[in-house]
Amino acid sequence: DQQVKQNSPSLSVQEGRISILNCDYTNSMFDYFLWYKKYPAEGPTFLISISSIKDKNEDGRFTVFLNKSAKHLSLHIVPSQPGDSAVYFCAASAAEYGNKLVFGAGTILRVKS
Amino acid sequence: DSGVTQTPKHLITATGQRVTLRCSPRSGDLSVYWYQQSLDQGLQFLIQYYNGEERAKGNILERFSAQQFPDLHSELNLSSLELGDSALYFCASSAGARETQYFGPGTRLLVL
Repeated sequence: DQQVKQNSPSLSVQEGRISILNCDYTNSMFDYFLWYKKYPAEGPTFLISISSIKDKNEDGRFTVFLNKSAKHLSLHIVPSQPGDSAVYFCAASAAEYGNKLVFGAGTILRVKS
Repeated sequence: DSGVTQTPKHLITATGQRVTLRCSPRSGDLSVYWYQQSLDQGLQFLIQYYNGEERAKGNILERFSAQQFPDLHSELNLSSLELGDSALYFCASSAGARETQYFGPGTRLLVL
């Protein structure tokens, strides 16, 4: 079963505009959420995380929002740059399950210059 | 560069064979995780070790096994290989139980 879902397989954004990537989860035990970026032939690179006790976390151009009641999180990238073009994975973990990450299927982001 | 190293980068082998994938975690990290990324399954957790001991298991096949050595490097052993085992295998490490995981570049396994 897919406990973490990224329903948009791809997203295309103009350089300088905002990119919004979405992620939904079904398991209410998840209490820690992360976003990773992945380029072809490389491993996932950690971007930003958020604990379930927060609803927002910001790091430079990246902001993650968490809506626990809706079991939804989103990653905002402002402004988007061509170098941001990659596959973005949402991941979640629960204290009860140790630190194993459950990943979404990924969203391909293309930033056009 | 995440600081996590994996060898080999590519591996081509035949069905029925056995291979060993190696991972060196970031300096100071005690936890090592193995993930498999296949085309139809996405990134799937296989197994976690913490300071030499197995901590958590995912949907890891019985043909697969892993261990973490006293120097904290880890090996993933895949035996009786099948075509469906062709995938990218990633290792990740973290400092502690609920710390951020940092991923290595992966080993691409092709079983012919």
